[in-house]
Amino acid sequence: DVVMTQTPVSLSVSLGGQVSISCRSSQSLVHNNGNTYLSWYLQKPGQSPQLLIYKVSNRFSGISDRFSGSGSGTDFTLKISRVEPDDLGVYYCGQGTQYPYTFGAGTKLELK
Amino acid sequence: EVQILETGGGLVKPGGSLRLSCATSGFNFNDYFMNWVRQAPGKGLEWVAQIRNKNYNYATYYAESLEGRVTISRDDSKSSVYLQVSSLRAEDTAIYYCTRRAGDFWGPGTMVTVSS
Repeated sequence: DVVMTQTPVSLSVSLGGQVSISCRSSQSLVHNNGNTYLSWYLQKPGQSPQLLIYKVSNRFSGISDRFSGSGSGTDFTLKISRVEPDDLGVYYCGQGTQYPYTFGAGTKLELK
Repeated sequence: EVQILETGGGLVKPGGSLRLSCATSGFNFNDYFMNWVRQAPGKGLEWVAQIRNKNYNYATYYAESLEGRVTISRDDSKSSVYLQVSSLRAEDTAIYYCTRRAGDFWGPGTMVTVSS
């Protein structure tokens, strides 16, 4: 199975600040078709996860441009700029390149 | 508007079975792969199963930890997907989410509690 390692486990940020979350996979996430199926999700307290970024760097419909994804192969990053109160929660990376699909353990974003 | 709603969760004794349902609307269900993902209390996300669409012969895939105990199925005429889980164990206690594709849309989830 592809192991997804997310760091850090938690982050404290001031409103208006910027943060980065790292996600590393134990194997390349480049699919045979050339796509890299690495996604980022945010789970706000008491809610279902929501998709933020798909295929490494594509923002999902309605997602602010304050969220950006980058990376390739096995090394990926989510950046959040100008952090707002509604950004708080747990962020997960997930891979859909290889079965079984797997997720990182999550990064909790809290207010400083 | 895409809508996904899971039902069928509840309290079940160890060794018991449950059939979870996921009703969808707002998109052409026939075009999409559908997945189940679960989340144990206070824990992270765990992918459970996927069923592809008719174009891919409704192929199914399962997490190894559950293989043999779960069956995913779909009814395109009802825009619904199902998850049959048997031989339930305490460690199967979780919120079970239905997702479109690998997770572009999620339902609110249905809670399954396995306890005597």
